[in-house]
Amino acid sequence: AQRVTQPEKLLSVFKGAPVELKCNYSYSGSPELFWYVQYSRQRLQLLLRHISRESIKGFTADLNKGETSFHLKKPFAQEEDSAMYYCALLTGGGNKLTFGTGTQLKVEL
Amino acid sequence: EAQVTQNPRYLITVTGKKLTVTCSQNMNHEYMSWYRQDPGLGLRQIYYSMNVEVTDKGDVPEGYKVSRKEKRNFPLILESPSPNQTSLYFCASSSRFGRDSGYEQYFGPGTRLTVT
Repeated sequence: AQRVTQPEKLLSVFKGAPVELKCNYSYSGSPELFWYVQYSRQRLQLLLRHISRESIKGFTADLNKGETSFHLKKPFAQEEDSAMYYCALLTGGGNKLTFGTGTQLKVEL
Repeated sequence: EAQVTQNPRYLITVTGKKLTVTCSQNMNHEYMSWYRQDPGLGLRQIYYSMNVEVTDKGDVPEGYKVSRKEKRNFPLILESPSPNQTSLYFCASSSRFGRDSGYEQYFGPGTRLTVT
């Protein structure tokens, strides 16, 4: 069965410091991975997806099939990055989105 | 404006009293899904629907029912709510077709349900 693991419940960094939110997955097929973000009192929204290899709000994530990881990175954290971040794995031909338990990122001044 | 709407946004009810949470999307999406969000557990899929009259169980379907009679609507039904169904519920929709769409899911604002 597929699984997504986000080992950190809370990650606290200072403004301007690098950020890395960890995500590991377990899936026997070809994975499609996403990062979703939930700002305070707002709905979840897609941050980025591995197939488009894009950078959104300075965040990037590289799929490492050897390590089965999809870590989210940003070189310089900003206060507005404080939010809950979810890694998600799409399987079942696009029918099933399995989320990790989420990491709360807190950027301190 | 393209969006997913849910009603009600907040609901407090008592054990055993049937309730329905509505979900509607205006993007002509084929795929719709319900999740519950609980502290420390993240989001877990309850049910999903690939199209009208096609629904299937997610990871935590017990105690819930859904229906998909129209493409735009996907209500979540709790026939006999219990306190362990107190949670934050999200509806989502996406277009299944076309890899370019990335199967991005659009989420509703959430419904906070408390069952006493």
